[in-house]
Amino acid sequence: DAGVTQSPTHLIKTRGQHVTLRCSPISGHKSVSWYQQVLGQGPQFIFQYYEKEERGRGNFPDRFSARQFPNYSSELNVNALLLGDSALYLCASSSSGISEAFFGQGTRLTVV
Amino acid sequence: KNQVEQSPQSLIILEGKNCTLQCNYTVSPFSNLRWYKQDTGRGPVSLTIMTFSENTKSNGRYTATLDADTKQSSLHITASQLSDSASYICVVSAGRGSTLGRLYFGRGTQLTVWP
Repeated sequence: DAGVTQSPTHLIKTRGQHVTLRCSPISGHKSVSWYQQVLGQGPQFIFQYYEKEERGRGNFPDRFSARQFPNYSSELNVNALLLGDSALYLCASSSSGISEAFFGQGTRLTVV
Repeated sequence: KNQVEQSPQSLIILEGKNCTLQCNYTVSPFSNLRWYKQDTGRGPVSLTIMTFSENTKSNGRYTATLDADTKQSSLHITASQLSDSASYICVVSAGRGSTLGRLYFGRGTQLTVWP
């Protein structure tokens, strides 16, 4: 049974560009959350989606947006990339928001 | 303010030794507390998850404890192995009943096991 899958695994972008990161949750899981992890720090909450609706948003600028599709997969979009956006972006899925969360391998984004 | 604090920030131990990592939290309403292991550049992997009524939970050589009164948790690693070298992250979920929980992460303890 496949776990949480994220794509791409690595990405290099230049400042000002936009990026789309993708996440496929575990089959049957309806909640997807996105996190940003800067090197040496714990993950920071960006968004939570449940049943295709946004249920939570962290303290990130409007350049960050996300959506969840009918098959519960999700995309995270970041516009006008800044050097500070360089981080590991993690996606977590759970059957509901309070149940155990399973993380994907992450997407390593480097902005140059 | 909902916060999760971990100590120590980093730890070096010799292979075969035991160690204990600490986690203090101020998250409310408390739903559950989780410990994750994260290898560098990889996603976190769940070790244990404990609800309000659970005091201790084991997963092989990992034993987690929870004191909901003092809002403290610990992760004890027994007979450490080189493969235990990783960041250990304490995560507290806020929410009650059917309320969707939000996860609050500590910064992690970076454990290095030397041969």
